[in-house]
Amino acid sequence: SQQGEEDPQALSIQEGENATMNCSYKTSINNLQWYRQNSGRGLVHLILIRSNEREKHSGRLRVTLDTSKKSSSLLITASRAADTASYFCALMPSGAGSYQLTFGKGTKLSVIP
Amino acid sequence: DAGVIQSPRHEVTEMGQEVTLRCKPISGHDYLFWYRQTMMRGLELLIYFNNNVPIDDSGMPEDRFSAKMPNASFSTLKIQPSEPRDSAVYFCASSLARIGPWYEQFFGPGTRLTVL
Repeated sequence: SQQGEEDPQALSIQEGENATMNCSYKTSINNLQWYRQNSGRGLVHLILIRSNEREKHSGRLRVTLDTSKKSSSLLITASRAADTASYFCALMPSGAGSYQLTFGKGTKLSVIP
Repeated sequence: DAGVIQSPRHEVTEMGQEVTLRCKPISGHDYLFWYRQTMMRGLELLIYFNNNVPIDDSGMPEDRFSAKMPNASFSTLKIQPSEPRDSAVYFCASSLARIGPWYEQFFGPGTRLTVL
């Protein structure tokens, strides 16, 4: 399967704590992306990490990628109630001209005020 | 920019009826994707277009589903006849393929389809 698998499926934390979500996959990738989906809304792109990168930061987000273990993690620091959403990893397979993304089933994050 | 626009936002129809979902991608984007999201199956890619040409429709579940992109600013996804198991949220997304690694997709708000 080209689908990423997020872990945990659901996560509940207190505001101010850090949240870590993981994504494992089985194929070779060009890049891996993380998206957020608020309830009843479309997905919003958060961050992209290329296969030759190991770590990227964007504001309170930190993404790591270990291609040898075929896994990625998304860390949200100092969480806020507004971070409550589902988070998806999406894989772009390696190969010229391939622009499809395959999404996992997501991690549902609840941040309690 | 208004982002990706989808209509209608909600559609309730009866089994056997034809349903047409509409999408306007972000101006200048050359890729358009149709997805379906359900609790059971998650987010599934149905079909995608490049420069208005369908590239891969292997995700289209059955012949009852068809998609068109007559021009760069409009696409439709049609289900005829509709069945209750087609009930889902349908998303349209667009992206701009550039030289380099940036293949971020921009999603519309989705159409929630309920087939009774």
